[in-house]
Amino acid sequence: DAGVIQSPRHEVTEMGQEVTLRCKPISGHDYLFWYRQTMMRGLELLIYFNNNVPIDDSGMPEDRFSAKMPNASFSTLKIQPSEPRDSAVYFCASTLGGAGTQYFGPGTRLLVL
Amino acid sequence: GNSVTQMEGPVTLSEEAFLTINCTYTATGYPSLFWYVQYPGEGLQLLLKATKADDKGSNKGFEATYRKETTSFHLEKGSVQVSDSAVYFCALRALSYNQGGKLIFGQGTELSVKP
Repeated sequence: DAGVIQSPRHEVTEMGQEVTLRCKPISGHDYLFWYRQTMMRGLELLIYFNNNVPIDDSGMPEDRFSAKMPNASFSTLKIQPSEPRDSAVYFCASTLGGAGTQYFGPGTRLLVL
Repeated sequence: GNSVTQMEGPVTLSEEAFLTINCTYTATGYPSLFWYVQYPGEGLQLLLKATKADDKGSNKGFEATYRKETTSFHLEKGSVQVSDSAVYFCALRALSYNQGGKLIFGQGTELSVKP
């Protein structure tokens, strides 16, 4: 299996622009997680899905952030409008079952100028 | 609430030195415990895990024992190599109806091993 795939790997944008991050989980996995990693706050869970349904979005920082999972093989995390403080590495992870091992993608490094 | 505390880094060691990275946790019930490793520019990879008290997880020479009495899960390796240089994350997972197995991570400990 190719593992969890994320795109783009790097994104540089200007403040106010819309940013869309993409994730393809491992085939057959039924949980998908979005994390954000920063020096100041470490690794934070933003939202997770089970069978394409959002279960817990309490980590989403504010209304500028939204996430969707239209099908079992694709999820997006959108920031609109983006701000410099959104600069971070965003990771997607997937697992089979709530007790399964989480497999992480390589991350998207976002820089908002 | 659930939380994980790791010793602060960076930790710098010489090759073949003994490594300990401390991790303590706070959780209700009986969480599963994990160590993840992040190499530069990459995502996190599971290093080892333990799912119940007194379990020992081990992989690639690393070990950690789930100590419920001290709520700890310290990571150890007897002889580190330059290739072990990375950031190490301790994490817990407390399964419940409304938590669905989400991981709670510590802040990470950077390890640098010099030749």
